[in-house]
Amino acid sequence: QFQLVQSGADVKTPGSSVKVYCKASGGTFNSYEITWVRQAPGQGLEWLGGINPMFGTTNYAQKFQGRVAITADESTSTAHMELSSLTYEDTAVYYCARGSGQLDYWGQGTLVTVSS
Amino acid sequence: DIQMTQSPSTLSASVGDRVTITCRASQSISNWLAWYQQKPGKAPKLLIYKASSLDSGVPSRFSGSGSGTEFTLTISSLQPDDFATYYCQQYNSFSQTFGQGTKVEIK
Repeated sequence: QFQLVQSGADVKTPGSSVKVYCKASGGTFNSYEITWVRQAPGQGLEWLGGINPMFGTTNYAQKFQGRVAITADESTSTAHMELSSLTYEDTAVYYCARGSGQLDYWGQGTLVTVSS
Repeated sequence: DIQMTQSPSTLSASVGDRVTITCRASQSISNWLAWYQQKPGKAPKLLIYKASSLDSGVPSRFSGSGSGTEFTLTISSLQPDDFATYYCQQYNSFSQTFGQGTKVEIK
């Protein structure tokens, strides 16, 4: 059974960066893209971008261009999402999910809190 | 960017009711639309993809329809487990966007 397991909750200060991990198991890692989506408290879902692990190609939401970096390590079946220049508005649960269109498997989510 | 608008934002219904949620795209997305169900504290769950294809294991009381700019998610007979928030997602363009969500509450 395919599964995505994410790194644990994190607290960051404004202006710093956060890196969230997403480890895949139970399937072929580079057969699917990995997409990152976030959800601020009480809000809807927001797409950040995605990566094709086989080719390393990435696609980012214009809103986050220059501030987000998504990478993938085939040797460990792990995708990473790094968000820099954090503000309080970046406080959210960050999800990784399998796919570049419909997202059929999701990680459990990682709460990132930006606080001084 | 393609904007997705869901209606209503909140829906109050009873067990056994037929429920319909609408999602409108700001431009044509063909049938590149998915629907998700999310419960508090949980990750979203894929219900429907390509506008009308039911994901594996999803009960047949869920159905999707539409193409172009207007889409609907229908629950034929609402069950207690269906009280949740539902999101549409377009993946036609190089970027993807979600609707703002529809919360289905107990009447």
